[in-house]
Amino acid sequence: GESVGLHLPTLSVQEGDNSIINCAYSNSASDYFIWYKQESGKGPQFIIDIRSNMDKRQGQRVTVLLNKTVKHLSLQIAATQPGDSAVYFCAENNGDSSYKLIFGSGTRLLVRP
Amino acid sequence: DVKVTQSSRYLVKRTGEKVFLECVQDMDHENMFWYRQDPGLGLRLIYFSYDVKMKEKGDIPEGYSVSREKKERFSLILESASTNQTSMYLCASSLGGRGTDTQYFGPGTRLTVL
Repeated sequence: GESVGLHLPTLSVQEGDNSIINCAYSNSASDYFIWYKQESGKGPQFIIDIRSNMDKRQGQRVTVLLNKTVKHLSLQIAATQPGDSAVYFCAENNGDSSYKLIFGSGTRLLVRP
Repeated sequence: DVKVTQSSRYLVKRTGEKVFLECVQDMDHENMFWYRQDPGLGLRLIYFSYDVKMKEKGDIPEGYSVSREKKERFSLILESASTNQTSMYLCASSLGGRGTDTQYFGPGTRLTVL
């Protein structure tokens, strides 16, 4: 498969454990955040989003936590499965009225069987 | 479900060729985007369009142009391909609100310029 990043931080977890992937965002004015998952050779896939008026949002097996005080975003994956192996990256809207998103560089999640 | 499709998964072209990358979305989205993704550099915005026939430069527009004649279709054009344009190209679309729009991505086109 194709690599989306040569020097990405890597998180290695045992299958069945919970995973926590972190993201520090840059702009305190950002008010919308998204987590994407990108498998090797594929386009990024939307996982979950959160607006700045929330601290936590849950999906199916995933939870996003937002700490605006320290400009930190995390993605928690419960009962990690081999199919969760991918690069995960966060995106922020930069708080302005543009259509653009600012993307983080990503974290590679490896799930050990 | 939102579906964004790209015309080719893999493409090999020669230096100096004119290259067209096509992207189609089927959800009546207003906004469409073209990115390139390179190891260590992440996603970089080339161009985006917020309406038919409207376009704005992104962060790295040099060497590229775009066309949006129909709402569902956004084309990226490499006027004269060069080896430094070898990359993964990703198209995305979003509904149309400002600043709080999820972007949905296509599968990507891996372009190699020889």
